[in-house]
Amino acid sequence: KQEVTQIPAALSVPEGENLVLNCSFTDSAIYNLQWFRQDPGKGLTSLLLIQSSQREQTSGRLNASLDKSSGRSTLYIAASQPGDSATYLCAVRRGETSGSRLTFGEGTQLTVNP
Amino acid sequence: NAGVMQNPRHLVRRRGQEARLRCSPMKGHSHVYWYRQLPEEGLKFMVYLQKENIIDESGMPKERFSAEFPKEGPSILRIQQVVRGDSAAYFCASSAPYRAPGNTIYFGEGSWLTVV
Repeated sequence: KQEVTQIPAALSVPEGENLVLNCSFTDSAIYNLQWFRQDPGKGLTSLLLIQSSQREQTSGRLNASLDKSSGRSTLYIAASQPGDSATYLCAVRRGETSGSRLTFGEGTQLTVNP
Repeated sequence: NAGVMQNPRHLVRRRGQEARLRCSPMKGHSHVYWYRQLPEEGLKFMVYLQKENIIDESGMPKERFSAEFPKEGPSILRIQQVVRGDSAAYFCASSAPYRAPGNTIYFGEGSWLTVV
């Protein structure tokens, strides 16, 4: 059974700081890994998707890496802003065929202070 | 191309009533997933459906919960005789058929159920 763990559970940083969010998963046989952002009372916004054959993806100030063999991914946020405050969720997709569902971590709640 | 549409966005039910949550997948998507997010918790998989078929319901509670995705119309998540513990956000997601280009899972905005 796939288990996804995110560390830390909560993080508070001053504006402008670079930060790293961590995600680990127990079963390395994944199809892809996705990072989402969730604002309070809102739905999920997909930030980055990394296929199992890829090692990283970048979008603006965000960079996500994937080390499938060790079961780890990191989300790097450069020059953090108060608008980055949200919960960040990591999710792995089991496979391309049966099930094909996402397994989520519990999330990291990020607060960026002005 | 509209995204995944869920309604209602917010629903209040008294204990013992029924809740029906609807999900219209993105155009061209034939796979629907339902997830539940309890307060202060992550998203937990409930059920995975294709048109007229339940493929994986391993995350569904054994009683009171059911889901369908008919040939025509939206997918429905039905909760009978709701209890306070059913209060949660219910998210629907959809994806294109396997091996389609850009086979990403897209999420709706969620339906927030409050049981009073």
